[in-house]
Amino acid sequence: DIEMTQSPSSLSASVGDRVTITCRASQGISNYLAWYQQKPGRVPKLLIYGASTLESGVPSRFSGSGSGTDFTLTISSLQPEDVATYYCQKYKGAPLTFGGGTKVEIK
Amino acid sequence: QVQLVQSGAEVKKPGASVKISCKASGYTFTKYYIHWVRQAPGQGLEWMGLINPSGGSTSFAQKFQGRVTMTRDTSTSTVYMELSSLTSEDTAVYYCGGDRHAYCAGDCSVGYWGQGTLVTVSS
Repeated sequence: DIEMTQSPSSLSASVGDRVTITCRASQGISNYLAWYQQKPGRVPKLLIYGASTLESGVPSRFSGSGSGTDFTLTISSLQPEDVATYYCQKYKGAPLTFGGGTKVEIK
Repeated sequence: QVQLVQSGAEVKKPGASVKISCKASGYTFTKYYIHWVRQAPGQGLEWMGLINPSGGSTSFAQKFQGRVTMTRDTSTSTVYMELSSLTSEDTAVYYCGGDRHAYCAGDCSVGYWGQGTLVTVSS
């Protein structure tokens, strides 16, 4: 099975900062990579699929890039409402494995 | 608009089974595969498996093979997930989720989520 490794596991940044989260697949997955946001006590929400396609309604400060084994989620200007845990997931072929998550907090 | 509504919280004893429902509405039931994802307290998301609501075929994460069953009732647009031989490690919130795109047969992201069902396993 393909393993998904996220880093860092947590980060603290100031409002307005650029934040980058990385996700690495143990084997190439082309661009079959999604990012989810889960706010405390809430249901996960799809942010990005196809590694870089923004889900409808997601603010443009979120962006995704990468292909193969290395992917990034970038928040261009961190806002207070972005406090959440972010998960990557590979989705082509079962099992659809999630990364371990990155908890983002405001400094 | 795709909506998934799950059954309510459950408390089970170790060794028992739990069966959770996920009722779909707002779309043609057979268009979107349904995934099951769980989250233990303070932990990350864990994909358990999926079901094709049309034919009923399933695919499970190896960890749950032999212990999980996923079924569907097309007459009520409802999917069920049953997990047996429960231990305290199965205490978690269980989510159902639908494919982001119609007809992608489980090979796409999870675009729609149920509200989650808390299962507590305690003696």
